[in-house]
Amino acid sequence: NFMLTQPHSVSESPGKTITISCTRSSGSIASNYVQWYQQRPGSAPTTVIYEDNQRPSGVPDRFSGSIDSSSNSASLTISGLKTEDEADYYCQSYDSSNHGVFGGGTKLTVL
Amino acid sequence: EVQLVESGGGLVQPGGSLRLSCAASGFTFSSYWMTWVRQAPGKGLEWVANINQDGSEKYYVDSVKGRFTISRDNAKNSLYLQMNSLRAEDTAVYYCARLRGLDLDYWGQGTLVTVSS
Repeated sequence: NFMLTQPHSVSESPGKTITISCTRSSGSIASNYVQWYQQRPGSAPTTVIYEDNQRPSGVPDRFSGSIDSSSNSASLTISGLKTEDEADYYCQSYDSSNHGVFGGGTKLTVL
Repeated sequence: EVQLVESGGGLVQPGGSLRLSCAASGFTFSSYWMTWVRQAPGKGLEWVANINQDGSEKYYVDSVKGRFTISRDNAKNSLYLQMNSLRAEDTAVYYCARLRGLDLDYWGQGTLVTVSS
């Protein structure tokens, strides 16, 4: 099986742009779609990106997703940071048995 | 409105059993894969198990294989997780979530399972 590795934490000021990486340990990042979930304290996760780069309705276009085969990683980019973006973010993909795998999560602090 | 409401959590001794339920409403339950995801206190998300629309396909994370059983009753719009031989490391908030394609698009609020003597 594979692991998805994320930075433990990221911090930036309001109005700036951040990128959270999600590196797949084995197998191609492009072999299975990647989703990104936002989890605010005390709440269940919600989807901000699905199928690598698709935004659910209601998610602002400040959120974008991409994959990079050269680094075997996926990325979540949030532009125009707002204090309300402060949350934990998890990437997620699937193994060959259709079992989901989550990254360890990244705590975003908007200073 | 889609709603997922978990129940059945609580305090159980190591080696004990617990059955979690997830009541679904607001959508055609029998048309979707469903999933259990857990989160240990202060830790990240862990995919526990998922089940297809008619219950004929089930997948489990290695750490729960042989101990947990996912099932569903489409007539009752309900998802279940039977947890046996519970261990301290199973302590977590357990969420049920709907799978739309590859996306966990709706989640319940979770139910806390504490395994402790």
